[in-house]
Amino acid sequence: KQEVTQIPAALSVPEGENLVLNCSFTDSAIYNLQWFRQDPGKGLTSLLLIQSSQREQTSGRLNASLDKSSGRSTLYIAASQPGDSATYLCAVQHSGYALNFGKGTSLLVTP
Amino acid sequence: DAGVIQSPRHEVTEMGQEVTLRCKPISGHNSLFWYRQTMMRGLELLIYFNNNVPIDDSGMPEDRFSAKMPNASFSTLKIQPSEPRDSAVYFCASSTGTNTGELFFGEGSRLTVL
Repeated sequence: KQEVTQIPAALSVPEGENLVLNCSFTDSAIYNLQWFRQDPGKGLTSLLLIQSSQREQTSGRLNASLDKSSGRSTLYIAASQPGDSATYLCAVQHSGYALNFGKGTSLLVTP
Repeated sequence: DAGVIQSPRHEVTEMGQEVTLRCKPISGHNSLFWYRQTMMRGLELLIYFNNNVPIDDSGMPEDRFSAKMPNASFSTLKIQPSEPRDSAVYFCASSTGTNTGELFFGEGSRLTVL
């Protein structure tokens, strides 16, 4: 069974810092990896989707990388802002269509 | 597009009552997923459908849970009878149903069973 682990579970940084969130998975035979953002009491919003053949994806201040062979992905957030405060979840898709999720990293960016 | 629409947003019920959660996927998406989120276990896949057909229901906790998708624009998740341990946020999500498809989530239905 695919296990997805996210480290750290919680992170607090001052505004303006660059930060890295980590995700690891046990089964490297994946189709894609997605990073989501979840605000309190809300659903999940897809941030970046990396196909298994890709190494990274970028959207604005966000950059996600994928190393399938080592079972790792990172989400890099540049110049963090208080509005980035949320829980960030990593999910991998392998056999079939469903995603397996990590438990997330809760990020707090303080002014 | 309005996105994935779930109802009700909040449900409070008593143990033993029947609960029905509803979902309308994004038009044109042919895969639909039901997830449950709790603090202890995170997001767990309950069941998913492709072209209205249940593909994998191995995540459904027990026979008290059932899900249907009578057409491409509607799905229900039913719990009968409900128990306090069913209290969670239930999410519906849809995608284009390919191995490279992005997943879109609804806002969730927060269920509290007293």
